[in-house]
Amino acid sequence: DAKTTQPPSMDCAEGRAANLPCNHSTISGNEYVYWYRQIHSQGPQYIIHGLKNNETNEMASLIITEDRKSSTLILPHATLRDTAVYYCIVRGNKKLTFGTGTRLTIIP
Amino acid sequence: NAGVTQTPKFQVLKTGQSMTLQCAQDMNHEYMSWYRQDPGMGLRLIHYSVGAGITDQGEVPNGYNVSRSTTEDFPLRLLSAAPSQTSVYFCASSYRGHGEQFFGPGTRLTVL
Repeated sequence: DAKTTQPPSMDCAEGRAANLPCNHSTISGNEYVYWYRQIHSQGPQYIIHGLKNNETNEMASLIITEDRKSSTLILPHATLRDTAVYYCIVRGNKKLTFGTGTRLTIIP
Repeated sequence: NAGVTQTPKFQVLKTGQSMTLQCAQDMNHEYMSWYRQDPGMGLRLIHYSVGAGITDQGEVPNGYNVSRSTTEDFPLRLLSAAPSQTSVYFCASSYRGHGEQFFGPGTRLTVL
């Protein structure tokens, strides 16, 4: 499975959009991009996933570049409850491989 | 649905002891997996299963055994606990290999 690169930490003001980048330059054609988050020490929570088209659900939007080498997770109106570690994962055959993620802190 | 359940929530073992971490799901998911998370790090895959009777190794399988005799249950066995196995263990399940994985609340294991 392809590796991902994320900034270790980011801050975002409450109410603003949080944009979390992820590089996955070695992604192959059948690999999906997944995003999970982990709040404090709870089990990770699924956010969204996509293959090549942009995706949106009730939690977030996922923007994947045309060459699929990078993506951005967008939380449109960040709240304090969105403070968490966000993991970008490229998933191939069956396995999720987590990196160290981005620690997002929402500032009041 | 209870989702993914894990027992126990906390466990302290002495070096050399064995134990089984339990994981169960009631969503009829084919795919189940075990991860460990060490302080300040991401999750690492230990073992996974794509269906009853089928298991495979992940990144860090040494010191752990699994079996999958039913769709619902996927226990993780520590054969001879070592301090290096002190970690938080998460179980997860999904309908197929792709799609949303549901995670359990975790088991916090300390090996003295």
